Amino acid sequence: DTGVSQNPRHKITKRGQNVTFRCDPISEHNRLYWYRQTLGQGPEFLTYFQNEAQLEKSRLLSDRFSAERPKGSFSTLEIQRTEQGDSAMYLCASSPRVYEQYFGPGTRLTVT
Amino acid sequence: AQTVTQSQPEMSVQEAETVTLSCTYDTSESDYYLFWYKQPPSRQMILVIRQEAYKQQNATENRFSVNFQKAAKSFSLKISDSQLGDAAMYFCAYRSAGPGAQKLVFGQGTRLTINP
Repeated sequence: DTGVSQNPRHKITKRGQNVTFRCDPISEHNRLYWYRQTLGQGPEFLTYFQNEAQLEKSRLLSDRFSAERPKGSFSTLEIQRTEQGDSAMYLCASSPRVYEQYFGPGTRLTVT
Repeated sequence: AQTVTQSQPEMSVQEAETVTLSCTYDTSESDYYLFWYKQPPSRQMILVIRQEAYKQQNATENRFSVNFQKAAKSFSLKISDSQLGDAAMYFCAYRSAGPGAQKLVFGQGTRLTINP
């Protein structure tokens, strides 16, 4: 068990560019979550997958954001036409059961 | 919508002493889960302790215990015998027990400093 991994760990991009982040959950965890954390704040929920199905999306997930989890394994989060307000830490978590979520180290996005 | 409030942005404690972090929440639901997570500097978030709302007994994990007051919607974390490794951001989180409700709702966090 290597834990939840996220890549890249850091991403610097220019405003207007597209970025994609990857999350590899703990193997056999069928639940996967994305959160966004801005400096000095607690994480905010973005979206949730059970296996390959995206079952819940936050209003924070605007049209520029899209997430996928093909085959119920790894997940990707894409942000199109990035804005400076997208700068944040993007956290992924996975869960084998209803009430435990195991977090990855996060991807820190800086939009210049 | 549920909200979680941590009114202490920062706390400090002497090594080996006891500290209590406060958390209040607002919900109209009767069944839910509450959590404390620890986020060390530049490291990933770790679950410290979990409390099911239907359980009257307060959860305990080694040096960590909670004081769960359901009627007051209060959920504080007590850390006994504080150690240098306890220094971190601590987040209180709420999760509904309802069907399809999977997200964690986090408070703003409390930064805990341990003084040697």
